[in-house]
Amino acid sequence: AQSVTQPDIHITVSEGASLELRCNYSYGATPYLFWYVQSPGQGLQLLLKYFSGDTLVQGIKGFEAEFKRSQSSFNLRKPSVHWSDAAEYFCAVGHGSSNTGKLIFGQGTTLQVKP
Amino acid sequence: SQTIHQWPATLVQPVGSPLSLECTVEGTSNPNLYWYRQAAGRGLQLLFYSVGIGQISSEVPQNLSASRPQDRQFILSSKKLLLSDSGFYLCAWMRSSGLSSYEQYFGPGTRLTVT
Repeated sequence: AQSVTQPDIHITVSEGASLELRCNYSYGATPYLFWYVQSPGQGLQLLLKYFSGDTLVQGIKGFEAEFKRSQSSFNLRKPSVHWSDAAEYFCAVGHGSSNTGKLIFGQGTTLQVKP
Repeated sequence: SQTIHQWPATLVQPVGSPLSLECTVEGTSNPNLYWYRQAAGRGLQLLFYSVGIGQISSEVPQNLSASRPQDRQFILSSKKLLLSDSGFYLCAWMRSSGLSSYEQYFGPGTRLTVT
């Protein structure tokens, strides 16, 4: 069965430092992968997605992610973190038939940014 | 452009009372629609999804039900709320055709507290 693991529940980085959030998935075929961000009390916003092609994908707000099939990973990166990036981040993988469009989400990583 | 609305934004209800949460999508036709629940400090749990009017699939047996009376309207209901129904409820939509498989867009959410 498909699954998504985000090994880090909580990460703290200093403003201006680089960031990498880890995501590992379990899926037999080429996965559809997503990163979402959620600010406190808000809905989820799509940061970026991977369907096929170039394994390095660019997203909004200066984020990028790299798909590594050999490692079953889809880690999210940002070269320089801003205080406004403090939020919860979810990795997700498409699950089952594309007609239903269901997603499986990781448990999330909470990012704290130190001034 | 597409917009998704949820209301109410917050709700405090006593145990045993009924519930009705509404989600509507604008700017698209025949979307897939989803209801999620997010308990405090936890990830997202898919409750229901719908691929068309009157078509509802339940993911988790529980005290809740869903209905889709119109193409772009999705309602989450309960006849008698339990304390365990407290949480943050998120509605999401997805284009039902094209190259956007699994790409979901989320509403702002409803915070439900059952007392």
